[in-house]
Amino acid sequence: EVQLLESGGGLVQPEGSLRLSCAASGFTFSSYAMGWVRRAPGKGLEWVSIITDSGSTTYYADSVKGRFTISRDNSKNTLYLQMNSLRGEDTAVYYCAKRDYSSSSRWFDPWGQGTLVTVSS
Amino acid sequence: QFALTQPPTVSGSPGQSVTISCTGTSSDVGTYKRVSWYQQSPGTAPRLMIYEVSNRPSGVPDRFSGSKSGNTASLTISGLQAEDEADYYCSSHTSFSIIFGGGTKLTVL
Repeated sequence: EVQLLESGGGLVQPEGSLRLSCAASGFTFSSYAMGWVRRAPGKGLEWVSIITDSGSTTYYADSVKGRFTISRDNSKNTLYLQMNSLRGEDTAVYYCAKRDYSSSSRWFDPWGQGTLVTVSS
Repeated sequence: QFALTQPPTVSGSPGQSVTISCTGTSSDVGTYKRVSWYQQSPGTAPRLMIYEVSNRPSGVPDRFSGSKSGNTASLTISGLQAEDEADYYCSSHTSFSIIFGGGTKLTVL
């Protein structure tokens, strides 16, 4: 069974930093791109970042570019999200998700249970 | 990176059918089969319901179906059940970004 387990969320002050982790199991982690998606209170899902299977290429939403860094350790089956210069609008539940694919499309499946990040003084 | 356009709310009675639309552009929704749909109930993680416009993962009831015409995709839920009440999101992607719709809250009356 594919499982994704996020950790590292919590309360942080504005301009602070936090690193999220996502431990993966049940599939060949190094064969899949992985991503982070967040949902702020009262808002919808927002894509944050994605990293290719090898970790060589990364993409970011404009809202986090230059502040967040996605990375992975394929030897540990773990995905990371380093979040710096945090703002109130970064408050959200952060989900990691496996990026499944075909020749013509990509989608997220499955998703982890999420970890809450609260940015507040 | 603009969100795909979904109606904020839809509703239906048990047994009825509802359709949620999702409008994007020729660069995302209108390209190949770049549409997926997710269901999120309160306090739970999003769940994949449809991928590649119209494919259902194993375990998703066949009451859920997807389609696309041009730059607009649709999710149809037939034979509504109380457990279908949730938020639904469409998603697409370009070569460099991933986009979600604003979400649609489905209420089962």
